[in-house]
Amino acid sequence: AQSVTQLDSQVPVFEEAPVELRCNYSSSVSVYLFWYVQYPNQGLQLLLKYLSGSTLVESINGFEAEFNKSQTSFHLRKPSVHISDTAEYFCAVSDPSGNTPLVFGKGTRLSVIA
Amino acid sequence: GAVVSQHPSWVICKSGTSVKIECRSLDFQATTMFWYRQFPKQSLMLMATSNEGSKATYEQGVEKDKFLINHASLTLSTLTVTSAHPEDSSFYICSAKGPLGDQYFGPGTRLLVL
Repeated sequence: AQSVTQLDSQVPVFEEAPVELRCNYSSSVSVYLFWYVQYPNQGLQLLLKYLSGSTLVESINGFEAEFNKSQTSFHLRKPSVHISDTAEYFCAVSDPSGNTPLVFGKGTRLSVIA
Repeated sequence: GAVVSQHPSWVICKSGTSVKIECRSLDFQATTMFWYRQFPKQSLMLMATSNEGSKATYEQGVEKDKFLINHASLTLSTLTVTSAHPEDSSFYICSAKGPLGDQYFGPGTRLLVL
């Protein structure tokens, strides 16, 4: 069975400051890893994903995440946040077969303060 | 990109009535769709996996007679909440598995049962 732990339920940060949202996973098989963002009253949008290859993956809006197999982590980072980054962020894991649904963490609420 | 729509986006109904929520993949065919439920400030909880042309697979603790799922075509899955009660009030999100295995999420449907 797979599981995802997001250690921080809420992360407040000042605008233009760096941020890291932590994600650890547990799995007995190889994994695909995802970060989704959810703005208020909206569905989920894929932010970035790791399937294979380079362990550092980037999104178009400045976020990046690094897959660390030894630490079973996939932390999300951004060097300088904006007010518009305020949202709920979910880390998720699936197995490479694609036959199982995504398993989500409990989410981290990022609040960017002006 | 792949787009998934949900209809309605929000619904208010009286206790005891049934509510149908539609999930459509607009520009791709999806043999597999997933239905999630999200309570305020919580993560997504998988309710069921919907496969085109066959019965849905429900997660443990989800009443299949309460939450009826139909996946009659490759672009449409419906979730019917039968005899809805206030405790069924929630945010319901569907996702569709694309041709490369990625999951694409709908914008969600907010249900309020009075």
